[in-house]
Amino acid sequence: GAVVSQHPSWVICKSGTSVKIECRSLDFQATTMFWYRQFPKQSLMLMATSNEGSKATYEQGVEKDKFLINHASLTLSTLTVTSAHPEDSSFYICSARPAGVPSEQYFGPGTRLTVT
Amino acid sequence: AQSVTQLDSQVPVFEEAPVELRCNYSSSVSVYLFWYVQYPNQGLQLLLKYLSGSTLVKGINGFEAEFNKSQTSFHLRKPSVHISDTAEYFCAVTPITGGGNKLTFGTGTQLKVEL
Repeated sequence: GAVVSQHPSWVICKSGTSVKIECRSLDFQATTMFWYRQFPKQSLMLMATSNEGSKATYEQGVEKDKFLINHASLTLSTLTVTSAHPEDSSFYICSARPAGVPSEQYFGPGTRLTVT
Repeated sequence: AQSVTQLDSQVPVFEEAPVELRCNYSSSVSVYLFWYVQYPNQGLQLLLKYLSGSTLVKGINGFEAEFNKSQTSFHLRKPSVHISDTAEYFCAVTPITGGGNKLTFGTGTQLKVEL
């Protein structure tokens, strides 16, 4: 149980285009989902927290207009990188917190984004 | 605010030898503590966690960790490592109350097991 999927697992896009990444909790309902960014050989940096049915809360320094987050249901959150540039190339990882279990987060397998 | 320090960025060790990966944290409030493992190009997998109770926590794959409140440490240990344990290991904390369940991660320790 407690499986989180991400789609796509990797994507290459041209500079200036937008890319949508999906995060799904497959066998549980997630009231909260988190989006992280990880640069090579570095730790995970929290980008934003999304709660089902409400606006995401972004961490300081994260451009909310560039990284659009939607948490439309208890099993799906999406991250859209708008007008992507090469510096947005990174590994994006989501995690999902089951309803009523504040100490748990289950991580997705990550999405490798390369902007050319 | 919380911070997590993993002093060792890389730890080389021979197969079947014991290993300890160090983690220290700083927090003005009580926290839950976690260790995660990340294999190349994959997400994070929970190894173990400390919520309360016994300070010695056993996790998957033969790993264990001990919470030491006075030293604000949560070191990860394995008595005998295997080649398949080669991966990146992250220590993380989250406030027990408040904080929005956000995890604060350390910078990671690359464990490299050699024959």
